[in-house]
Amino acid sequence: SQQGEEDPQALSIQEGENATMNCSYKTSINNLQWYRQNSGRGLVHLILIRSNEREKHSGRLRVTLDTSKKSSSLLITASRAADTASYFCATAEIQGAQKLVFGQGTRLTINP
Amino acid sequence: DARVTQTPRHKVTEMGQEVTMRCQPILGHNTVFWYRQTMMQGLELLAYFRNRAPLDDSGMPKDRFSAEMPDATLATLKIQPSEPRDSAVYFCASGLVRGIANTEAFFGQGTRLTVV
Repeated sequence: SQQGEEDPQALSIQEGENATMNCSYKTSINNLQWYRQNSGRGLVHLILIRSNEREKHSGRLRVTLDTSKKSSSLLITASRAADTASYFCATAEIQGAQKLVFGQGTRLTINP
Repeated sequence: DARVTQTPRHKVTEMGQEVTMRCQPILGHNTVFWYRQTMMQGLELLAYFRNRAPLDDSGMPKDRFSAEMPDATLATLKIQPSEPRDSAVYFCASGLVRGIANTEAFFGQGTRLTVV
């Protein structure tokens, strides 16, 4: 079952611009994670934000989490052509089997 | 360099045949996930193991799919009989549960399955 819903489904910007992707989820979570997938490859973990955190930075990545709205955003600053990939949010559920459930992803294209 | 290893990378099989996909999780990890990725459905969680015990397989068609962890170094996903609609990329991932929640998951390169 899908937990996170990403928005937009696809995003195309010019190199150097900032890219913002959003994720909404439904259940209670312990943490929310963002992953990147290059075409034909496995997913790679980018950043994890805990439910008691509101913002986190890692290099050119900035993640925010609003648990009251059950939403998160991923900002990539000063985008590069190499950032072209699909980006997924994943929620670590608290209840039940405490699964890691992924959204549908945002396909990001950086134009040189 | 620790990584999750999946075999085979590609598999083409005829409808009705049995397919077995294998995964070697990272040593020391206590959780293993199997996901299926298609354009239409995205990443679907099929099965989830913690300390080799199956915790959730609600996303898996029980009549034809089965997932096992015979030991800590091997996870298997089997489809019998396979159908064309099973064509997808199957990912295995492993990770650690700290406290009550999953942390970072490490993905293998996937098995691209085509059922004709």
